[in-house]
Amino acid sequence: GNSVTQMEGPVTLSEEAFLTINCTYTATGYPSLFWYVQYPGEGLQLLLKATKADDKGSNKGFEATYRKETTSFHLEKGSVQVSDSAVYFCALSDRGSTLGRLYFGRGTQLTVWP
Amino acid sequence: ETGVTQSPTHLIKTRGQQVTLRCSSQSGHNTVSWYQQALGQGPQFIFQYYREEENGRGNFPPRFSGLQFPNYSSELNVNALELDDSALYLCASSWGGTVNTGELFFGEGSRLTVL
Repeated sequence: GNSVTQMEGPVTLSEEAFLTINCTYTATGYPSLFWYVQYPGEGLQLLLKATKADDKGSNKGFEATYRKETTSFHLEKGSVQVSDSAVYFCALSDRGSTLGRLYFGRGTQLTVWP
Repeated sequence: ETGVTQSPTHLIKTRGQQVTLRCSSQSGHNTVSWYQQALGQGPQFIFQYYREEENGRGNFPPRFSGLQFPNYSSELNVNALELDDSALYLCASSWGGTVNTGELFFGEGSRLTVL
C-alpha cells in the first residue's frame, strides 16, 4: 500500500540553523511527492513538490529531492527563520489511486527561536 | 480569487448526535476532498467528490457521508457521532483536469469535539 513515514518531532532550532526533516515513503505505483506546511491558525499549504525520480522541488528557500533508490524526500533549508515555525507534512499522491488523493505523514512541528 | 472556506470553524456535539460540515471550494475548482486530522496526526482521506459524484473513499464507515452541489460546494455528514470522531475536518479543492498533481487547496478546517 501507500504510506509516508516522517521524522518525529518536535524540532527546535535557533534562527539561521540548518534544517532537515526526514521523509520516506512506500508506494505501489509511481508517486508524486509533496511537502505541505501548516502555519498556526491557517490551512495546509503546498510548499513544494516533485513528480518523478531525481526531481528537486524548491520554494521559499526549502528544497527536497525525490530519491527513488532510497524512497526518500527529505526537506532541507540552509538557514531557518522564526517565520518558518509551523507543522510540516510529507505526502504522496499515487497516480494509480483516486484523483488527487494524498497520503500524509504524521507531521513534524518546527519551532525556530530568535 | 476566493479560497476554500469552511463552516463552522468550531463545534461541540455529544455522542450519538449528527453533524454537517460545509465547504465552499475555490473558484474554478470542480473537485472536493475531505480529510480527518486527529490531534497529532496527519490528515486521513475520507472521500472525494468530482462533478457531484463520490470519486473514491478512504477507510471510513458509511456513517460518514457527503454531497457535492452543482456549484461544487460540498457537505460532510457524520451520523451517530463517537468520541473518536473528535478531530479537525479539512476540506480541499482542486481542478479535476490536472490528473493527480496532488496540489490541493485546503480550508482552515472545522474542529469537531464530541463529548
